[in-house]
Amino acid sequence: GAGVSQSPRYKVAKRGQDVALRCDPISGHVSLFWYQQALGQGPEFLTYFQNEAQLDKSGLPSDRFFAERPEGSVSTLKIQRTQQEDSAVYLCASSLAGSYYYEQYFGPGTRLTVT
Amino acid sequence: AQSVTQPDIHITVSEGASLELRCNYSYGATPYLFWYVQSPGQGLQLLLKYFSGDTLVQGIKGFEAEFKRSQSSFNLRKPSVHWSDAAEYFCAFGDDNAGNNRKLIWGLGTSLAVNP
Repeated sequence: GAGVSQSPRYKVAKRGQDVALRCDPISGHVSLFWYQQALGQGPEFLTYFQNEAQLDKSGLPSDRFFAERPEGSVSTLKIQRTQQEDSAVYLCASSLAGSYYYEQYFGPGTRLTVT
Repeated sequence: AQSVTQPDIHITVSEGASLELRCNYSYGATPYLFWYVQSPGQGLQLLLKYFSGDTLVQGIKGFEAEFKRSQSSFNLRKPSVHWSDAAEYFCAFGDDNAGNNRKLIWGLGTSLAVNP
């Protein structure tokens, strides 16, 4: 079956623009995670959904970042008024259920460049 | 604070040589431990994981890792490296005391280059 897909793969935004990044998890996966990976760094947790419920958004760096998963499947990460420090790869992962026993499967990421 | 340290930013080995990538963690209990590999343009792929039990765990692609509680380490090993193993390797752990969260906490990664 298909893995986790993300779109777009690359996004260039002018500072101040709004962007929306999409994640299609593996069908049937309950849990969905967003991570931010800056150049040369490890991923940093942003937010976590279990079905449509956003159970943790403690990693979102500011109120310009917003994520949703309205039907418990596809998720969108929205960044308003982008800043240069938002430039990073945004990774989405999904897992079968909300336990570490279930592997997190990662998408290829969206590389966001803010100019 | 909870953290993962990968002391080696970059390692170069010759094809066929053995490999050990180091990982140390700082956590009050035994965490859930993971090694992931990231190839250019690819998503992160799970190599192996440790939850409990046997401290030597086997993973995919011929990798293994050993959990040593006394050293707070979870080093990744491979007896004979192949050119296709060149990639970025990340150690991560999961905090089971984080309530509803199942986030992973990641190291900075080790970049592996393989000489022919």
